[in-house]
Order: sequence, then C-alpha cells, then structure tokens
Amino acid sequence: DTGVSQDPRHKITKRGQNVTFRCDPISEHNRLYWYRQTLGQGPEFLTYFQNEAQLEKSRLLSDRFSAERPKGSFSTLEIQRTEQGDSAMYLCASSLEDRRYTFGSGTRLTVV
Amino acid sequence: LAKTTQPISMDSYEGQEVNITCSHNNIATNDYITWYQQFPSQGPRFIIQGYKTKVTNEVASLFIPADRKSSTLSLPRVSLSDTAVYYCLVGEDDKIIFGKGTRLHILP
Repeated sequence: DTGVSQDPRHKITKRGQNVTFRCDPISEHNRLYWYRQTLGQGPEFLTYFQNEAQLEKSRLLSDRFSAERPKGSFSTLEIQRTEQGDSAMYLCASSLEDRRYTFGSGTRLTVV
Repeated sequence: LAKTTQPISMDSYEGQEVNITCSHNNIATNDYITWYQQFPSQGPRFIIQGYKTKVTNEVASLFIPADRKSSTLSLPRVSLSDTAVYYCLVGEDDKIIFGKGTRLHILP
C-alpha cells in the first residue's frame, strides 16, 4: 500500500457546477477524514468516517457538501453548485484509532 | 480542545538545531501532543507524538516538561529541505484541529 490517494490532483470548474473528489485510504485504516485548506491557513476539519459511518460534520460543511464512504473503503466528497469561496485544497486523511493521520496530497479546486 | 500557541514564523541556518516551542496551558490529563510537518502543495505529515518527558525518533525529538503546559519540537542539524510549516496539536478527540502552525525557513 502506497498511502492515501486522492483524485483528481487539480480541478478547475465553473461557478455553479458540481464536482466530486475521491479518496482511497490506507486499506487497514478504519477512519477517514476530509479537511479543506486555503492559502496561509491550517487545514480545517470538514467531516470524518469510522468505517462506513459518518460520525461528525463540521458547521463549515454547508448543505452543498456531501461525503460518502460506501462499504468503509474509498470516500467521495461532492460539492454542488460550486461557489468561488469553495476554491481550496481538499485533503483526505486516514488513520487507525489514534491521532497519527496519513494525509493524501490533496485535490486543488479552483472555481472560476 | 486545548488551545495551542506557537510562533508564526522562524528562520534558521543549515546545520543548526531548531527548537519550536508550543504553549498549551489548558492541556487535559488525557491529551497527547502531536506535531505535523507540511510542505507546500502536500498534505501534513506526522512527525512525532508524546505524552510526557522526552520522545525521540529518526526525525525529531519532543520535549515535554512535567507540567505539560508546553512542548518543544527539536529538529537536529536542519537542511534546506526542512523548510515547511510545523503544527502543534493537543487533544484526545477523534478529530484533530489545526492552527496556523509555525513557518520554518531554513537559510543556506
């Protein structure tokens, strides 16, 4: 296993379009996290899963955002009706039940 | 979650030892202290974690005094490739919350 994979690495979309990102965690990790990071800021927590159950969602996650983790394996993060303020790096991480996260390289979203 | 305070930025020179101190005055009994490193356009990378006294691995050392109200990440003999943002995190919750971190700039 080579770590956490995120796809795509870059996405440019027009305002109002929907986008979907994928994250493949380390196979034996039961926890999966999504973060968003803008320039000069630390990553902001969005949501996390334990196996297939979504256990917590940040108030940052508006109704336009939805995340899934079917069968407790890969996860998808969908943003509907994108806005320019959604432009950011979207990071996925996975872990066992400790605080040693392994992050992917992220998906950079640009909304034009 | 315990609040952490760390310097916004630091400069050092190649070959020097760099110490980054993090304050966490309201750390709880069960909280661990964890440090991450982040390079531009990459996700953060776990460096080291500790609860008390000293922890050392192949990358860094973590010094935690008896009162645990602060911690110091020590990077021995830094190189240009150690230029990155370093985050200090404290807590035991299921999720980790990042602050702005310390931007470390290594000069030749």
